[in-house]
Amino acid sequence: GENVEQHPSTLSVQEGDSAVIKCTYSDSASNYFPWYKQELGKRPQLIIDIRSNVGEKKDQRIAVTLNKTAKHFSLHITETQPEDSAVYFCAASGYSGGGADGLTFGKGTHLIIQP
Amino acid sequence: KAGVTQTPRYLIKTRGQQVTLSCSPISGHRSVSWYQQTPGQGLQFLFEYFSETQRNKGNFPGRFSGRQFSNSRSEMNVSTLELGDSALYLCASSLAGQTYEQYFGPGTRLTVT
Repeated sequence: GENVEQHPSTLSVQEGDSAVIKCTYSDSASNYFPWYKQELGKRPQLIIDIRSNVGEKKDQRIAVTLNKTAKHFSLHITETQPEDSAVYFCAASGYSGGGADGLTFGKGTHLIIQP
Repeated sequence: KAGVTQTPRYLIKTRGQQVTLSCSPISGHRSVSWYQQTPGQGLQFLFEYFSETQRNKGNFPGRFSGRQFSNSRSEMNVSTLELGDSALYLCASSLAGQTYEQYFGPGTRLTVT
């Protein structure tokens, strides 16, 4: 099955700086890669996603890049703000048999924005 | 549109008992997936239901089961509870499956004593 590795586990950045979180996946058949933000005590919230036919996607201060050859994808947050502090999860949807498998998640990155 | 809802939000059970959790997806969404979240194992996929049929299943024992009704609402059942089943159980709904945007409910916090 699919295996997703996520780094770093904790990331501390100064407010206004950029943050980058990286993930690698194992199943070359995976074609959907969402990112979720989870604040303490709240549900995971979809913040951006990318499909394998696209190399990069942006949404305001957030961007995701995908390198299919290397099987890795990254989340980039620019001009970080205190409200960006949360745990971020990457995920991948692999394939087996005739259909898509459930999402396989990375272990999460605790992003801390220092004032 | 109303978001994904789950009931109950909190549950305390004793080892050996069984429990049923409920999930109501976003209106129009036909796929419901269930996930277990623990500090040690993170978010793990349990199973997915689409049009009342289980379409995918993760690596969990047969004590974990589910079903989906014609209105897309889903239930998850855990029988013979073990201490290790203590977790946050999240459901997520999407239009049509795993390669579509999935939106999570608030979760049910299950504590097994």
